[in-house]
Amino acid sequence: TQLLEQSPQFLSIQEGENLTVYCNSSSVFSSLQWYRQEPGEGPVLLVTVVTGGEVKKLKRLTFQFGDARKDSSLHITAAQPGDTGLYLCAGVQGGSEKLVFGKGTKLTVNP
Amino acid sequence: DAGVIQSPRHEVTEMGQEVTLRCKPISGHNSLFWYRQTMMRGLELLIYFNNNVPIDDSGMPEDRFSAKMPNASFSTLKIQPSEPRDSAVYFCASSLKVGHTGELFFGEGSRLTVL
Repeated sequence: TQLLEQSPQFLSIQEGENLTVYCNSSSVFSSLQWYRQEPGEGPVLLVTVVTGGEVKKLKRLTFQFGDARKDSSLHITAAQPGDTGLYLCAGVQGGSEKLVFGKGTKLTVNP
Repeated sequence: DAGVIQSPRHEVTEMGQEVTLRCKPISGHNSLFWYRQTMMRGLELLIYFNNNVPIDDSGMPEDRFSAKMPNASFSTLKIQPSEPRDSAVYFCASSLKVGHTGELFFGEGSRLTVL
């Protein structure tokens, strides 16, 4: 059983469209990170959220941490081909201090 | 400043052979992690070190896997003997903070294929 479920698993959209990807769990996390991974490279951190209900913006990317700290979402506005990649969420469970990763959402933005 | 450096980038070997993957973390970082990534299971933590000391190796699949960190600037992950199901991309990551709460900086990975 995957501790962090990400959906959708795959997403293919046209340039300019908006999209939201989700990271859900039945467990509470003390913090949650989002990474982007491009083919042939390692994941790169985009953001860390730590407070329930927190919203962080990174240019066209908006990250939200659920009030109960069990879920998170990533919204991309006006997607561009450069946004193509595997988006991974990773959470630290309260008490375990262990970072676990979801399987990711593979996003393709077509020009 | 150089990032996390892993070698080799690609390794193809035959079942039963010994495989050694190497990692140089970012200078000054206190934690080092070894992950394995496959399509089926995603990114799985194998082992992590704090200040060169192994803290949690519960993710190491079997006794065939071993990891060492003899000093702050070098770590190895060894598989002996290798099996086809070990085929995956192995990532090393380092972090300035002790433990898992900080940003992880990943290397480019070592793609292992065991025939």
